[in-house]
Amino acid sequence: GEDVEQSLFLSVREGDSSVINCTYTDSSSTYLYWYKQEPGAGLQLLTYIFSNMDMKQDQRLTVLLNKKDKHLSLRIADTQTGDSAIYFCAEKRGNNDMRFGAGTRLTVKP
Amino acid sequence: DARVTQTPRHKVTEMGQEVTMRCQPILGHNTVFWYRQTMMQGLELLAYFRNRAPLDDSGMPKDRFSAEMPDATLATLKIQPSEPRDSAVYFCASGLAGGHEQYFGPGTRLTVT
Repeated sequence: GEDVEQSLFLSVREGDSSVINCTYTDSSSTYLYWYKQEPGAGLQLLTYIFSNMDMKQDQRLTVLLNKKDKHLSLRIADTQTGDSAIYFCAEKRGNNDMRFGAGTRLTVKP
Repeated sequence: DARVTQTPRHKVTEMGQEVTMRCQPILGHNTVFWYRQTMMQGLELLAYFRNRAPLDDSGMPKDRFSAEMPDATLATLKIQPSEPRDSAVYFCASGLAGGHEQYFGPGTRLTVT
């Protein structure tokens, strides 16, 4: 399809791992991104991965990329209430255009 | 500290009225994006510009929305006439063509009654 797709909602308990999934559209996309939006604010870049990598780890965050299936995931270990936010997947397409998913609203319950 | 600025931050208007939202991109950035965010639809791309030229406005309802960049320091998004279904948060973002990051403004929260 034309759109970057994500589930709109995810709810987890504090201390559990969160996994947010995304499917993107362009097999020639060069970079894939995760952005975070906290309440009342704009989006901010969280992390990104080059398309020839299959994993990137940064402290509690793990990004997995399955290029064959055009599937990207973001795992947050030991999820905290402060991680409650909306998480956006984005791809940089072969023509340098960037496209965002609609966002996944993560709710962390104490 | 370079930031994207948007005005107004909040706007309440009655249906049928014209609404103009403004964005000042980060100095030196040559791409500007307009997005709309609602609870039900999430984030939607409305339009984007590169070097002030519109590259894609396919996400924008053409009959009532228009986006322009009168100069490199100002982008505008206009709705005329506004309708209640236009109520949303409108974000502007800027970046460098080929760069990794889009820098988002704080958004304009529009309520049309």
